[in-house]
Parts: sequence; C-alpha cells; structure tokens
Amino acid sequence: DAKTTQPTSMDCAEGRAANLPCNHSTISGNEYVYWYRQIHSQGPQYIIHGLKNNETNEMASLIITEDRKSSTLILPHATLRDTAVYYCIVRVPIIQGAQKLVFGQGTRLTINP
Amino acid sequence: DTGVSQNPRHKITKRGQNVTFRCDPISEHNRLYWYRQTLGQGPEFLTYFQNEAQLEKSRLLSDRFSAERPKGSFSTLEIQRTEQGDSAMYLCASSARTRVMQYFGPGTRLTVL
Repeated sequence: DAKTTQPTSMDCAEGRAANLPCNHSTISGNEYVYWYRQIHSQGPQYIIHGLKNNETNEMASLIITEDRKSSTLILPHATLRDTAVYYCIVRVPIIQGAQKLVFGQGTRLTINP
Repeated sequence: DTGVSQNPRHKITKRGQNVTFRCDPISEHNRLYWYRQTLGQGPEFLTYFQNEAQLEKSRLLSDRFSAERPKGSFSTLEIQRTEQGDSAMYLCASSARTRVMQYFGPGTRLTVL
C-alpha cells in the first residue's frame, strides 16, 4: 500500500494560516492525494483532493510539489473549530474501480486562541 | 439531513455476546465501505460493497465478522462472540460510482467489557 508520512502534531494561532505537510514519496503517477479531517468522536470529513495541480475549495488549498512526492494542506484563516486530526491519504485500488482509503496516524492540529 | 447515518452510536456489551450495527448510506450511493478505528489510530478498511455484492474483505475481517447489504441500500455489520480487542469505532462510508469522495457516517463506538 502506498504510504504517507505526516508530523504527529502541530499548533497554530487562531486567525493565522495553518500549513500541514505530507510526504508521499511512493505515490504513482495516477494516484490522487486526499485530505480528510476528523474532529473528536466524529467520522472523517472530506476536505480536498488533487493529482498534480494545486487545488482550492471553500475549506482549504492543496499545494502539490512538481515531483508529487509531497503536498501541503493550507487552512488560510484557522479557527478554533479547525482543531482536529488531519489525514493525508493516497487511495489504493481494490476491485472494479473501487478504492479504499489507507489512513496513517495523521497530524493532530491544535488551534490556539 | 441526507448524510450517512449509523446506529447505534454507542454500544456496550459483555465479552462473548453478539452485536449488530447498521449503516444507512447516502441514498443514491451504490458503494459502501466499512472501516474500523482503534484509539489513537487512523481508520482501517474492513470491507466493500457495490450494490448488494460484497466484493472485497480485509484480512482484519475475521470469521466472527459478517457484513450484509441485502437490497443494496442499508448495510449491517455483525460481530459474533465479541472479544475485548473488538472495542473500537466502526465507521461506514459511501460513495457514488461517478464520484471519488467517500462520505463517512458518525460511527458506532463499541466497548466490550
């Protein structure tokens, strides 16, 4: 299974940009990078995904390096509600076009007032 | 709310008892996944359904575990003869064939005493 590595924990001040790095050096050419987050005692929530171009949506931006071996999730103006565990994921094919998500341990992001 | 729902949210049982969890996916989603998450770890894939067919099972799914999706809508996950090591959060996710994102339910937290 393709693997990702992330820092175990990070802190960020409320109102500042939170930049969460992820290494995925074994990613193959057609594999997307996904980001999910999990707020305490809830199911994981989809944030964003990308292949090789930078992506932005209403929640975050995703910057993928040109060699695709790493990416950074950016929360532009972090709020206390962004405190969560953030997972960088590469999907793994299973059968008939379906794919499973392979989670690592994620980064525990704490937003401080 | 048209998201993924799971019932019950919490289940406490004694070792050796059988338990059953239910997942109701988003209505138009034909793909359904079960994951398990132990404390401090990311979710791990258990099994995958496309419509009513169970097409993939993880090695984590021992013979005490069985999952069904009889009419291609809701799914059940049963654990027979529960063990303390089965204590975990059981998460259900669904996706549409044409969409890449998996949407997770809130999970069922199982505690085996």
